[in-house]
Amino acid sequence: QKEVEQNSGPLSVPEGAIASLNCTYSDRVSQSFFWYRQYSGKSPELIMSIYSNGDKEDGRFTAQLNKASQYVSLLIRDSQPSDSATYLCAVRKNQGGKLIFGQGTELSVKP
Amino acid sequence: DVKVTQSSRYLVKRTGEKVFLECVQDMDHENMFWYRQDPGLGLRLIYFSYDVKMKEKGDIPEGYSVSREKKERFSLILESASTNQTSMYLCASTGGGSYEQYFGPGTRLTVT
Repeated sequence: QKEVEQNSGPLSVPEGAIASLNCTYSDRVSQSFFWYRQYSGKSPELIMSIYSNGDKEDGRFTAQLNKASQYVSLLIRDSQPSDSATYLCAVRKNQGGKLIFGQGTELSVKP
Repeated sequence: DVKVTQSSRYLVKRTGEKVFLECVQDMDHENMFWYRQDPGLGLRLIYFSYDVKMKEKGDIPEGYSVSREKKERFSLILESASTNQTSMYLCASTGGGSYEQYFGPGTRLTVT
């Protein structure tokens, strides 16, 4: 079992819809959770971090964390073609600053 | 804004060459990381450093070494480049009590 799992996709949504990206993790001691966006040929860009159970909103993005079920999700409201990218989930355990990355979910927003 | 820079965007080297990849951050971050990213394998941690002159092996350190002589600079060294080291290399940094990692633009290395 991988430590951080994401569906590889591609996830295809129409413009204006809500895109829902999911991530599960295996280690219950995981402390911090991050979502990165990566455009093709570019480096990952941090979108959001979340540390406690519940929802965290930033503009069109909402991160949701459920530690009991060991999953974290990212919702993108009013999806735009410019949101088309690969989204990486990352998890920090209790070992300093190391992050464990999922393999990413490819999102395609169709005009 | 955090700025992480890498010495080259694209690099082509021959098998057996010694290769230096440099990473510089301007936010006085304590922690720096080197990853490689390959299709289907995701991001894999090669080495990281929590302080000057300090280094820790990541998940795939074989064939690589690192150097951190100054806080802002973290170098990745391929002692004798091989074709299976053709990859995208990404540097990241974090610090100041935050665990949010910020990435440089990446170096796409091709070993022929």
